Formats: sequence, C-alpha cells, structure tokens
Amino acid sequence: AQSVTQPDIHITVSEGASLELRCNYSYGATPYLFWYVQSPGQGLQLLLKYFSGDTLVQGIKGFEAEFKRSQSSFNLRKPSVHWSDAAEYFCAVGAGYNFNKFYFGSGTKLNVKP
Amino acid sequence: EAEVAQSPRYKITEKSQAVAFWCDPISGHATLYWYRQILGQGPELLVQFQDESVVDDSQLPKDRFSAERLKGVDSTLKIQPAELGDSAMYLCASSLEGPGADTQYFGPGTRLTVL
Repeated sequence: AQSVTQPDIHITVSEGASLELRCNYSYGATPYLFWYVQSPGQGLQLLLKYFSGDTLVQGIKGFEAEFKRSQSSFNLRKPSVHWSDAAEYFCAVGAGYNFNKFYFGSGTKLNVKP
Repeated sequence: EAEVAQSPRYKITEKSQAVAFWCDPISGHATLYWYRQILGQGPELLVQFQDESVVDDSQLPKDRFSAERLKGVDSTLKIQPAELGDSAMYLCASSLEGPGADTQYFGPGTRLTVL
C-alpha cells in the first residue's frame, strides 16, 4: 500500500538556523511529490512540487526540496529559518493511475526559537 | 487572488444531529476535493469530483456522509447523523484540470466539534 512517512512529529530550530524536514514514501513507481504548509487554523498552501526533471526543486518562501529516488525521499530544506516559518508541514504524494490518488503524511510541526 | 471559500468556519453540533458544509472552488476549476483532517494527522481524501461527477469516494463513509456538486461548481458535504469521532477539520480544495498532479488550492476549512 502507498504510504507517506514524516518521521519527525515536532522540530524546534533557532531563528537563522538551517532546516531539514524529512519525507519518505512507499510506492512502486515514482509518484508526484508535494510539500504543503499549514498555519494554525488555516488551510494548506503549496510550497513546491516535483513531477520530473531536475531533482532539486525550488519553492516559495525560500524553501527547496530534493528528490532522491534511491532513498524514496523528498526532504524539505531552508538555509535560514525565520520566525514566520513556524507552522505545520505536510509532505504529499500523487500516485495511482493518472496520479489522482493523493496521500498526505502526518505532518511535522516546526517551532522557531528567537 | 482567487481563493476557495468554505462556510461555516466553525460548527458545533450534538451527536446524532445533521451538519452540512459548503465549498465554492476557484472559478473555472473542474476538480473539487473534500478532505478530513483529524487533529495531529494529515488530510485524508473523502471524495473527489470532476465537474459534477464523483471520481473517487472510496474513503467516504457512505452510511452517514454524502457529497454533491450538482452544477459542477459549488459543493456540499453532509453528515447525518454526526458522531463524536467526526470531530475534525473539513478541508475543501480545487484544481484547474482533471484528476492528476495539478496543484490543489485549499480553502480555510470548517472546524467541526461534535458534543
């Protein structure tokens, strides 16, 4: 069965420090991959997505993610975290015929220390 | 910037009552999705529409949940009767094209509390 794993439930980083959020997926073929961010009480906003091509993907708000086929991973990174980045981050995959099956990970909550 | 609209934003109801949520997708978006997000978990797809047709409702508890998109524009999700375990955030999303990897745009959600 398809699955998306985000092994870190909570992460705390200091403002200005670098960030990496982990995401692993289980699927027979390479799915389409997404990272979304959710602020408290809000809907989800797309940060970036990977369909094919260059495995390093740039997104909004200074985020990037790297697809590693050998590790079935799609980790999200940011070189310098800002206090406004505190939120919950969700990795998602589009899989199945025509990639129309969407599966979300359980999320990683990011706290930013001043 | 166009947004997905949802109402109400918050709903408190008692067990066994009926509740309904409304979603208005971004104009022109053919595909509409309803998700349920239990606290501490990621969203789970309940139902997906392509225009007015249901594409996928395999995760929709059909004994109590129903969804419609009669004219292929806005949509209503209903729960009858509500149970305590239905307390969650209900998110609506839409995408421009048909089912696939097109970007989904999410509304702010409806927070349901069942007492």
